[in-house]
Amino acid sequence: AQKVTQAQTEISVVEKEDVTLDCVYETRDTTYYLFWYKQPPSGELVFLIRRNSFDEQNEISGRYSWNFQKSTSSFNFTITASQVVDSAVYFCALRRSGGYQKVTFGTGTKLQVIP
Amino acid sequence: DGGITQSPKYLFRKEGQNVTLSCEQNLNHDAMYWYRQDPGQGLRLIYYSQIVNDFQKGDIAEGYSVSREKKESFPLTVTSAQKNPTAFYLCASSKDRAYNQPQHFGDGTRLSIL
Repeated sequence: AQKVTQAQTEISVVEKEDVTLDCVYETRDTTYYLFWYKQPPSGELVFLIRRNSFDEQNEISGRYSWNFQKSTSSFNFTITASQVVDSAVYFCALRRSGGYQKVTFGTGTKLQVIP
Repeated sequence: DGGITQSPKYLFRKEGQNVTLSCEQNLNHDAMYWYRQDPGQGLRLIYYSQIVNDFQKGDIAEGYSVSREKKESFPLTVTSAQKNPTAFYLCASSKDRAYNQPQHFGDGTRLSIL
């Protein structure tokens, strides 16, 4: 069985602060993909990033960065200099390889950025 | 503009009534999915379809039905057998069933009981 844990249910930060959203996963597979999605108040989930289990390079995209550490089964997401537009629910997800495999989502972290 | 369109945005169901949620995509994606989202929970898979005229049950298929007669369309019917239908429903698609493909989501339908 696989599992994705986002222990932070809600986080509030003041605008321009940095914030890290934690994601810890469990799987017995060696080949899988990890994803982050953003769900703004409008409701649709927006794909942010995917990471192959064999690629532990960190990634930076503008104010967003992701830290993948296989040794701790974590795929954390950091927003630098947060903005009000970053307010949303963020989901971490895992999908195994091999045939059809469903996506396992975490329960999400609600981020509120206060102006 | 390519994307996924869900309708209606809000839907109300009476006791004993079946209701159908629409999902249309123009991304030319093979795979489509229906998820249910309840407050404080992650997304739970209801049904998925990897190709036209084929679909499989997800984790919580009881009380729901789907069809996939066209590549672009994957409607979800919430039947009267679903005793707790109040939730936010999200439709998604991906290029194919491959595990590395991200899913693209519609903006959801919020279903409530009258």
